[in-house]
Amino acid sequence: DTAVSQTPKYLVTQMGNDKSIKCEQNLGHDTMYWYKQDSKKFLKIMFSYNNKELIINETVPNRFSPKSPDKAHLNLHINSLELGDSAVYFCASSQGWTGELFFGEGSRLTVL
Amino acid sequence: QQQVKQSPQSLIVQKGGISIINCAYENTAFDYFPWYQQFPGKGPALLIAIRPDVSEKKEGRFTISFNKSAKQFSLHIMDSQPGDSATYFCAASPSGTYKYIFGTGTRLKVLA
Repeated sequence: DTAVSQTPKYLVTQMGNDKSIKCEQNLGHDTMYWYKQDSKKFLKIMFSYNNKELIINETVPNRFSPKSPDKAHLNLHINSLELGDSAVYFCASSQGWTGELFFGEGSRLTVL
Repeated sequence: QQQVKQSPQSLIVQKGGISIINCAYENTAFDYFPWYQQFPGKGPALLIAIRPDVSEKKEGRFTISFNKSAKQFSLHIMDSQPGDSATYFCAASPSGTYKYIFGTGTRLKVLA
């Protein structure tokens, strides 16, 4: 039973399109995150939600909009995709702020 | 400063050898220092973590050494095995926040 699951695993799309990535965790955690891993493997936090409330919003373009319908789900919608958005996007969850981060397997986005 | 500097970028070790990866930070508010292991196509997974009240933590073949005064911490992998070949990330979390700052990663290859 997968703890943090993301869909889809792969997305290939054209510049200018809109796409969404979904994430679900079955660990009962209260905090969820989106991280971006670029081609050099650098992991950077984008957003974090605690009990459905946005608590971290890094300097991410407005084209990225997270949504947390409940504690177990965190989705990421990206408008007007650009070449630079190509990356692997990881969803993660934790219990509280000092808890272990549990990552999903990632969603590889390729923008052509 | 919110950075965590990690070195080396890549490391090749013979089977049975010791792998050492170093990280340095500047922000004295950091109080949680985990190491994550990432295999190709997978999300990072927690390997071992330490808090600044101890100078060393050992779990099996993996040891974190922590030097609070120097603001440095390192991961030692004893008796390195080919199955340890992965990318390793150090991270730090400031007290009272949900923001994990990751190092730039070290790609470890253990030769059989």
